[in-house]
Amino acid sequence: AQSVTQLGSHVSVSEGALVLLRCNYSSSVPPYLFWYVQYPNQGLQLLLKYTTGATLVKGINGFEAEFKKSETSFHLTKPSAHMSDAAEYFCAVSDNNDMRFGAGTRLTVKP
Amino acid sequence: ETGVTQTPRHLVMGMTNKKSLKCEQHLGHNAMYWYKQSAKKPLELMFVYNFKEQTENNSVPSRFSPECPNSSHLFLHLHTLQPEDSALYLCASSQARVRQPQHFGDGTRLSIL
Repeated sequence: AQSVTQLGSHVSVSEGALVLLRCNYSSSVPPYLFWYVQYPNQGLQLLLKYTTGATLVKGINGFEAEFKKSETSFHLTKPSAHMSDAAEYFCAVSDNNDMRFGAGTRLTVKP
Repeated sequence: ETGVTQTPRHLVMGMTNKKSLKCEQHLGHNAMYWYKQSAKKPLELMFVYNFKEQTENNSVPSRFSPECPNSSHLFLHLHTLQPEDSALYLCASSQARVRQPQHFGDGTRLSIL
């Protein structure tokens, strides 16, 4: 069975600071990994995904994530936070038969 | 505009009412999903349809009844709900046979009185 753990239900950064949202997974097969963002009163929007190939994946809005098999991690980063990045972020893992979401991390950006 | 439209956006109903949630997509996708999103909990997959056929019912109580008349439309019929059913219900779609929802609607916020 697969599972996802997002470390930290809330993360707060200053505008312009580095954003780091942590995600660890477990999977018995090579996983597909995803990050979604949810703005208030909206559904989830796909930020980026890892399937195969290059382990550093670039997504929309300047976000990127790196698949580290040895650490079973897929942390999301952005070099410089913007006020518009304030949202809830969800990590997910899939083996094409099942998809599991993490509980989410709420990102707050302080001016 | 996400390509997946859900109506209504908000719904308040009593425990004895019957109502339906609607989801529509015109992205050419053949798989559609219902998810339940409760505060501080991971998204819970409820139902999956591939080419109008239900391929998964994730142990959902029978007071939730899905309907998929075609690949573009998905309904969730509700009756005799419980207070713990209050949540955000999200519809999603993707290419068929790949259990990875690609596009989500903005959800229906359901409150049970």
